[in-house]
Amino acid sequence: QSVLTQPPSVSGAPGQRVTISCTGSSSNIGAGYDVHWYQQLPGTAPKLLIYGNSNRPSGVPDRFSGSKSGTSASLAITGLQAEDEADYYCQSYDSSLRGGVFGGGTKLTVL
Amino acid sequence: QVQLVQSGAEVKKPGASVKVSCKASGYTFTGYYMHWVRQAPGQGLEWMGWINPNSGGTNYAQKFQGRVTMTRDTSISTAYMELSRLRSDDTAVYYCARARNRDGYNYGYWGQGTLVTVSS
Repeated sequence: QSVLTQPPSVSGAPGQRVTISCTGSSSNIGAGYDVHWYQQLPGTAPKLLIYGNSNRPSGVPDRFSGSKSGTSASLAITGLQAEDEADYYCQSYDSSLRGGVFGGGTKLTVL
Repeated sequence: QVQLVQSGAEVKKPGASVKVSCKASGYTFTGYYMHWVRQAPGQGLEWMGWINPNSGGTNYAQKFQGRVTMTRDTSISTAYMELSRLRSDDTAVYYCARARNRDGYNYGYWGQGTLVTVSS
């Protein structure tokens, strides 16, 4: 079991909007630690998509956005495209474990 | 540009050790912590720990304490992750990763990954 909880899968049609949730606890997200999101295409290293809850690195389309509230965070993808089909992971820091923690990952299928 | 280049795939027997290297370029090696993350086949990402290349200080995930050793050679800007007493469930792709800031966990830079296969 991962410290951060994500849905195993989400899906949406091209052009639609999907959201991926990431639920933590009072020792990680709820304690105010930043949440980061990664996109991983098959056979490749993860790519940073969102850092510091809602910031996009240069080159990441503004179709991707992040938010955080309480002990949870969300990644939203608008204008879904076939190339968005990938695995998505949330990540934070946990003060009880004194280290990084990841969600279990969410597989996005573009219908 | 920042680059992290890892050593090649390894096949090890149960009980053996493996040492994976990660050569950094394009930035000041001692200015940023180096983290290690692994991913078992078909599974999610798992944080293993970090090393501060400047001081050599380390922080390991509890799960790996006693089995993992992270070191560095600043003269060649290279970080190492050694995992001992390997088991079959240590079969995974091992990544080195560097954050956008000195001691953060927002990994803007990743190595290409090193597949370690543990099999008798």
